[in-house]
Amino acid sequence: AQKITQTQPGMFVQEKEAVTLDCTYDTSDPSYGLFWYKQPSSGEMIFLIYQGSYDQQNATEGRYSLNFQKARKSANLVISASQLGDSAMYFCAMREAFTGGGNKLTFGTGTQLKVEL
Amino acid sequence: GAGVSQSPSNKVTEKGKDVELRCDPISGHTALYWYRQSLGQGLEFLIYFQGNSAPDKSGLPSDRFSAERTGGSVSTLTIQRTQQEDSAVYLCASTPLFDANTGELFFGEGSRLTVL
Repeated sequence: AQKITQTQPGMFVQEKEAVTLDCTYDTSDPSYGLFWYKQPSSGEMIFLIYQGSYDQQNATEGRYSLNFQKARKSANLVISASQLGDSAMYFCAMREAFTGGGNKLTFGTGTQLKVEL
Repeated sequence: GAGVSQSPSNKVTEKGKDVELRCDPISGHTALYWYRQSLGQGLEFLIYFQGNSAPDKSGLPSDRFSAERTGGSVSTLTIQRTQQEDSAVYLCASTPLFDANTGELFFGEGSRLTVL
C-alpha cells in the first residue's frame, strides 16, 4: 500500500479563494510527522507546515493550515486567500520514527495547483 | 546566508558513463540527505549522512549508486555505468542537528540528470 496518497494530480482555484489539497497516509508507527512542501517551477522544495502525530491542535502557518484527522489518517493542506504565487506543485510527506534517525521522508506524488485570476 | 548549493544544475551523459553530483550544504548543518525525483513522481529517499555516524544507505537503488561526505560538509553522489532510468532530478537537503519538533529539510535546487 502507498504510504502517502495524493489523489488530486491537478487542481484549479480562483485568486482569493481557499483550496484544500488532499493527503492520506498509511503507517503503523504511533509516532510520526507529516509535512507539506511546495515546489515552484524553479524546482526547489519549500517547507510549508508540519504536524506531529501527538499534536492536539491542527498546525497553522500564515495562510496555510493542516486539517489533521488522525482516525482517518488524513492530513489535508488548506490554503486560504489563494494568490497567483501559490501556483506550484505541492507534496505531502511523512516521517516515521521507526525508520531511524533523521528526516527520511516518504513523499506523495504531488498535486499541481494552478491559481487563476 | 547561502542555501544548499548543488552542481551541476544540468548534466547530460551517455548511457554507461559515470557521473558525479555535488552538494554543498548550509554551513553548520550536520545532516545531509540525497533524494531523487523522477518525472511526475514524488521524491525518493536515497541516502542520509549525520555527523560522523555511518550513513544510512537504505534508499540507494543499486550498487551503481554511492555517496560520500568529506569533512562533514560537501557530499558527492556518484552514479556508475548510468542507465536511462537514472534520468531524474537529484535533490540534496540539509538540516541542523535533528530537531524533533519539525525537522524541516532545506533543499537545494537540484541537479537534473539526463542519460541518453
